Amino acid sequence: QLVVTQSPSASASLGASVKLTCTLSSGHSSYAIAWHQQQPEKGPRYLMRLNSDGSHIKGDGIPDRFSGSSSGAERYLTISSLQSEDEADYFCQTWGIGIQVFGTGTKVTVL
Amino acid sequence: EVQLVQSGAEVKKPEKSLKISCKGSGYSFTTYWIGWVRQMPGKGLEWMGIIYPGDSDTRYSPSFQGQVTISADKSVSTAYLQWSSLKASDTAMYYCARCSGDCQHFDYWGQGTLVTVSS
Repeated sequence: QLVVTQSPSASASLGASVKLTCTLSSGHSSYAIAWHQQQPEKGPRYLMRLNSDGSHIKGDGIPDRFSGSSSGAERYLTISSLQSEDEADYFCQTWGIGIQVFGTGTKVTVL
Repeated sequence: EVQLVQSGAEVKKPEKSLKISCKGSGYSFTTYWIGWVRQMPGKGLEWMGIIYPGDSDTRYSPSFQGQVTISADKSVSTAYLQWSSLKASDTAMYYCARCSGDCQHFDYWGQGTLVTVSS
């Protein structure tokens, strides 16, 4: 079964970096994912598509502070130089034939 | 500029019907799949289904099959999500989103429509 797993929360200080993880279920380690940001009381915003080789394609206007990387079944989102507006929920999404799957999201707190 | 503009918030009583909309602009509406995503209060994102407006090919998540109907009118570049008999448990924010490429991930999102079902 295709599943993506995320830690529920992460935190880092203003100006620091934070690395979020999205883990693909067994047998799906070659799958690409997408990262989305949801700021409080707002709709989601597409950040990037992240492939198994670590290559990624960002959405329109996404700052360079957001980057992606991969290792095995894990897909990472790194936010550098954290700003207050980065405090948000971050969801990963993957897909199969006729199915879309979301992770439960990681809430990022900027200290 | 790609935009998905959704209809406004709705408050409905149980067992009533409802149809909400999502109007696309700034791209070829008929050549990209559109999806619907539910977010219950304080919860994560749940994929409901997708539609290809070009030919109205529709796929549903097993969790939502038979519970909702997804449709599209390409003449007005609009996708719809409808219920024939609402339940209190349908209370949620609903987002439409455009699929990129061969409907892999969503790359543009609507602003959301809040549906409240209460007697």
